[in-house]
Amino acid sequence: TQLLEQSPQFLSIQEGENLTVYCNSSSVFSSLQWYRQEPGEGPVLLVTVVTGGEVKKLKRLTFQFGDARKDSSLHITAAQTGDTGLYLCAGAQNQGGKLIFGQGTELSVKP
Amino acid sequence: NAGVMQNPRHLVRRRGQEARLRCSPMKGHSHVYWYRQLPEEGLKFMVYLQKENIIDESGMPKERFSAEFPKEGPSILRIQQVVRGDSAAYFCASSLILASKETQYFGPGTRLLVL
Repeated sequence: TQLLEQSPQFLSIQEGENLTVYCNSSSVFSSLQWYRQEPGEGPVLLVTVVTGGEVKKLKRLTFQFGDARKDSSLHITAAQTGDTGLYLCAGAQNQGGKLIFGQGTELSVKP
Repeated sequence: NAGVMQNPRHLVRRRGQEARLRCSPMKGHSHVYWYRQLPEEGLKFMVYLQKENIIDESGMPKERFSAEFPKEGPSILRIQQVVRGDSAAYFCASSLILASKETQYFGPGTRLLVL
């Protein structure tokens, strides 16, 4: 069973701080997607990374895909209270369409 | 352009009843995936369908669960004789083409509560 280990599981920080969420696996993924999920809603796509070493920026969010395509990270600069939510990484493999999800990181940004 | 639609958003069933969950993919998408999110657990893949075909059902429980995606109409996830352990959020996702790099877009989910 392929696993995607996401850390930390919980993160509580003050507004203005920086943070990094990690997603690691022993398996190679052809692409990796980051989602954010609000309570009572479905996951909303933030970004898809497909190339080893790829870095994508979305305003204050920076996403990186590891060179070997086994790991990824999400870095948030100067966190805001509106960043509060559950962040999920999900990997896809060549065999088919299903996504393998990490356990999620519950982020709380306090004013 | 409407996103992935799921209904009902909330469903309450008593043990032994049937639950039917519906999913309409994004316009133009012919690939549908169902995932389940149990309390305090991550999202787990259940089944992947194309129109009229089940492509991968490796995550589906062997009994009581079935899925279909007919030529016309929404995809249906059916749970027969529900038990309390079926209580969970069920999410549907769709994608445009079959490709491991293709993004999946998720619906808002159906929260199933079995009493």
